[in-house]
Amino acid sequence: QKEVEQNSGPLSVPEGAIASLNCTYSDRVSQSFFWYRQYSGKSPELIMSIYSNGDKEDGRFTAQLNKASQYVSLLIRDSQPSDSATYLCAVSNNAGNMLTFGGGTRLMVKP
Amino acid sequence: EPEVTQTPSHQVTQMGQEVILRCVPISNHLYFYWYRQILGQKVEFLVSFYNNEISEKSEIFDDQFSVERPDGSNFTLKIRSTKLEDSAMYFCASSADRGQETQYFGPGTRLLVL
Repeated sequence: QKEVEQNSGPLSVPEGAIASLNCTYSDRVSQSFFWYRQYSGKSPELIMSIYSNGDKEDGRFTAQLNKASQYVSLLIRDSQPSDSATYLCAVSNNAGNMLTFGGGTRLMVKP
Repeated sequence: EPEVTQTPSHQVTQMGQEVILRCVPISNHLYFYWYRQILGQKVEFLVSFYNNEISEKSEIFDDQFSVERPDGSNFTLKIRSTKLEDSAMYFCASSADRGQETQYFGPGTRLLVL
């Protein structure tokens, strides 16, 4: 059973702070990793994808991947109240035709 | 910007009835998916579909479920005899390819089985 684990939170940070979200996965052969944001009652929306070890930056977001430790993280700099949502880590299977999602981390950014 | 659309947004049905959930994937995408999310739980993979056949399916996707691409634009999920535990949000997604290609999600259909 392939597992993707996240701390459910809530993670509470003040506006302007850095939010750090973490994810571990069990399938060592996974190659593609995604962070989605999900507002309550809405569908998942892609934030970032990462495929290689190291950091990938896109605006206020930085994804980090460590395949040896089977660990993916997402940093959100200058957090805004509008960032308050549940962040889902998703891992693709080896064939690349399905995503396994973690349970999500609920982020609350307080003004 | 192209997007995945789904109809209906909400569906209420009686246990044992058949339901069909409809999706229009992004037009140049080749891979299509259904996921579900029971209230308060994880997003769960159901099935992926490519070249008019199932590419991958989960244990959830049993004989009560079927998928079809009846024409060049629609992608449907049929539940033959709904159960109370089928109540969930059902998301359709599509991608241009598999692997590193992003899966884009539709807004979902909230299914309630009474």
